Amino acid sequence: QVQLQQSGAELVKPGSSVKISCKASGYTFTSYDMHWIKQQPGNGLEWIGWIYPGNGNTKYNQKFNGKATLTADKSSSTAYMQLSSLTSEDSAVYFCARATRRTGFDYWGQGVMVTVSS
Amino acid sequence: DIQMTQSPSFLSASVGDRVTINCKASQNINKYLNWYQQKLGEAPKRLIYNTNNLQTGIPSRFSGSGSGTDYTLTISSLQPEDFATYFCLQHNSFPNTFGAGTKLELK
Repeated sequence: QVQLQQSGAELVKPGSSVKISCKASGYTFTSYDMHWIKQQPGNGLEWIGWIYPGNGNTKYNQKFNGKATLTADKSSSTAYMQLSSLTSEDSAVYFCARATRRTGFDYWGQGVMVTVSS
Repeated sequence: DIQMTQSPSFLSASVGDRVTINCKASQNINKYLNWYQQKLGEAPKRLIYNTNNLQTGIPSRFSGSGSGTDYTLTISSLQPEDFATYFCLQHNSFPNTFGAGTKLELK
């Protein structure tokens, strides 16, 4: 069965970076897009971007250009998102989600809570 | 960006009730509209994809309809496990955008 296992919660300082992971299993990692989504209470859900692990192609929401960097390691079937220059506005739960072009997001990871605090 | 206006934000209902949740897009999204259920602390679960296609394993009391800019999720007879938050997603164009969510509460 398809599973997306994300890394654990992070407490990070303002101005620093954090890299969170999403390990895929139960399907061919290189055949599906992997998207990343931000969820904040009161701010709803925002799409950050996607990566196609098959060739490393990426597309970002303009709002997150320079903030998020998406990568994928085919050997371990793991997608990563690095967030840089963190501020309190980046405190949120971050999800990875598998998608097909035709039907959108089907499976989601359990989410990673990132807290930015000094 | 396509704006998704979801209504209502909160819905109070009883077991057995029929409820509808709506999403209105700021432009035509060509039926590329999905519905998700999210419970506190859990990953969202897809219920419906591309307007009216039931996700495998989802009970048939969930259905979707719509076209153009207006879309609806219907739960025909609420069950205790259905009390959760629901949101829509348009994946017609980037950036993909979400409705703000509907919290369905037990009356």
